[in-house]
Amino acid sequence: NAGVTQTPKFQVLKTGQSMTLQCAQDMNHEYMSWYRQDPGMGLRLIHYSVGAGITDQGEVPNGYNVSRSTTEDFPLRLLSAAPSQTSVYFCASSYSRAGVTDTQYFGPGTRLTVL
Amino acid sequence: AQRVTQPEKLLSVFKGAPVELKCNYSYSGSPELFWYVQYSRQRLQLLLRHISRESIKGFTADLNKGETSFHLKKPFAQEEDSAMYYCALLYNTDKLIFGTGTRLQVFP
Repeated sequence: NAGVTQTPKFQVLKTGQSMTLQCAQDMNHEYMSWYRQDPGMGLRLIHYSVGAGITDQGEVPNGYNVSRSTTEDFPLRLLSAAPSQTSVYFCASSYSRAGVTDTQYFGPGTRLTVL
Repeated sequence: AQRVTQPEKLLSVFKGAPVELKCNYSYSGSPELFWYVQYSRQRLQLLLRHISRESIKGFTADLNKGETSFHLKKPFAQEEDSAMYYCALLYNTDKLIFGTGTRLQVFP
């Protein structure tokens, strides 16, 4: 099992550019989520999905879109990048919602810089 | 509104000393709480959850609803315990909110 994979590992964007952060898992997990981690702020939930075709907003959804067309993939789209979106982005997955009864597995992260 | 507070950014102890990482929460519902850990150059991983009442790597955490706390404890710290520790709260059945984290440094 590859677990949770994220691509790319690093990305530099200019203000206004769009891009997609990829996340995939091979554990047949229903629940997937995206977090951003900023210095001194811990992890904040951006969007999450409880299954294919179902997504919902977290704490900080503005400026991001998600879709869940398959169980395996959960891409995060930045529509028009802004410097405030400079952060480290983590994807996670689990069988149960937010890993309440099992283990939530995290990806290695994508470090994004917006100039 | 729900909130998780970890008051210490850094906690430094010597090997063999007791460790207590503090976590306080604010939530109107029935709390489900977790501790996650991130070792250097490793992924964030679950350490323990209160519902399991388990001890992992010698760490325990007890939910105190009266004090709205879920402090992480270990009687004798080891150098390999050095890491970043995050307390997290499940709210609305399917969302996690994390604290800002505490860095634990264990000196030899």
